[in-house]
Amino acid sequence: QVQLQESGPGLVKPSQTLSLTCTVSGGSISSGGYYWSWVRQHPGKGLEWIGYIYFSGSAYYNPSLNSRLTISVDTAKNQLSLKLSSVTAADTAVYYCARLEWEFYYFDYWGQGTLVTVSS
Amino acid sequence: QSALTQPPSASGSPGQSVTISCTGTSSDVGRYNYVSWYQQHPGKAPRLMISEVIKRPSGVPDRFSGSKSGNTASLTVSGLQAEDEADYYCSSFAGSNNVIFGGGTKLTVL
Repeated sequence: QVQLQESGPGLVKPSQTLSLTCTVSGGSISSGGYYWSWVRQHPGKGLEWIGYIYFSGSAYYNPSLNSRLTISVDTAKNQLSLKLSSVTAADTAVYYCARLEWEFYYFDYWGQGTLVTVSS
Repeated sequence: QSALTQPPSASGSPGQSVTISCTGTSSDVGRYNYVSWYQQHPGKAPRLMISEVIKRPSGVPDRFSGSKSGNTASLTVSGLQAEDEADYYCSSFAGSNNVIFGGGTKLTVL
């Protein structure tokens, strides 16, 4: 059973960089057939796809976040990471990591999510 | 790209059937059979309920079914139960390595 766990600071100051890590257990990021993704949910709002990465390092980003976003993968640690720069209050959200099946684009495993608040 | 369009709310009594729609365009829902549906209870992570328009993952009750016609996909919940009360989101591949979600539908079991 694949499990994903997000970790990182719950509070980030405006203009700084939001950094999160997702640790995958019960399966290898390098096994192929899946993208490893980030999705966020603003308080009381819907889901927003952030981006995804293949274990090879090929990454694809939501165009609306592309200029501020970096997603990376560490296959040795079985982790993926998210860095979002120049954050504002509009980036306050619950951030989820999720596994995305690469052929039919569905998210089959999700982490529990972590709330990140942007505030001074 | 714009979010897929879902009704904000839907409701039904126990035992009834409810259908939630998800409208996109000919560039996403209409072009690809890569529509999926997710259930989310308050404070919990989303759960995959339907993939590839109609496929039900192991463990999902057969009361949940999916379909698509043109640019609109639908999720039908038959024989409503109290535990089905949740938010439901659709998602679709949108080409050019993009994925989009619907705005979500709050399903209330009366």
